[in-house]
Amino acid sequence: QQPVQSPQAVILREGEDAVINCSSSKALYSVHWYRQKHGEAPVFLMILLKGGEQKGHEKISASFNEKKQQSSLYLTASQLSYSGTYFCGTATSGNTPLVFGKGTRLSVIA
Amino acid sequence: EAQVTQNPRYLITVTGKKLTVTCSQNMNHEYMSWYRQDPGLGLRQIYYSMNVEVTDKGDVPEGYKVSRKEKRNFPLILESPSPNQTSLYFCASSSRGFTYEQYFGPGTRLTVT
Repeated sequence: QQPVQSPQAVILREGEDAVINCSSSKALYSVHWYRQKHGEAPVFLMILLKGGEQKGHEKISASFNEKKQQSSLYLTASQLSYSGTYFCGTATSGNTPLVFGKGTRLSVIA
Repeated sequence: EAQVTQNPRYLITVTGKKLTVTCSQNMNHEYMSWYRQDPGLGLRQIYYSMNVEVTDKGDVPEGYKVSRKEKRNFPLILESPSPNQTSLYFCASSSRGFTYEQYFGPGTRLTVT
């Protein structure tokens, strides 16, 4: 079952912040975040394993609340280069394949 | 350069004509997957493989076949393509398991008329 991402789309001005959410109805082992620019392949951002840890990658960070089976991706002081579609992928164990959400389209305008 | 390659990148074919999309990785990864991407549906897994000769169905396997005879290659076979298989296809690989970063190939855009 696909995780649910929200919002489906968001438009930001440069410098603004955004939060993308990913929730699942199943107990999760890991949450992955990928970004895909138009016409390109998805590119890995980060993985969060159960334990509620928060990770950071420059101005992009994420959290994982395993009790709620939710993850959030935080983009601060957005740049034009952040534009793209963000996907979360979830796994229920270390050996089960990822199931990706439908994506959140992020557009950053000047 | 570490990479996943796919061929062809673009393909237009007719209903029923068998085709193969190749996927190869040079990172000695054990795990490989095939996904299809359709507007509004995200990435859906077709098949995956955890090692040579070990493959399993993903969420949307109907109409597809795969094989994993060598560690580096994971071809996707459409025995009798139909228009509903028109899609963007991605191959991906990861080391040791699905809790590791997946490296995606550049994609193959397939149109079946």
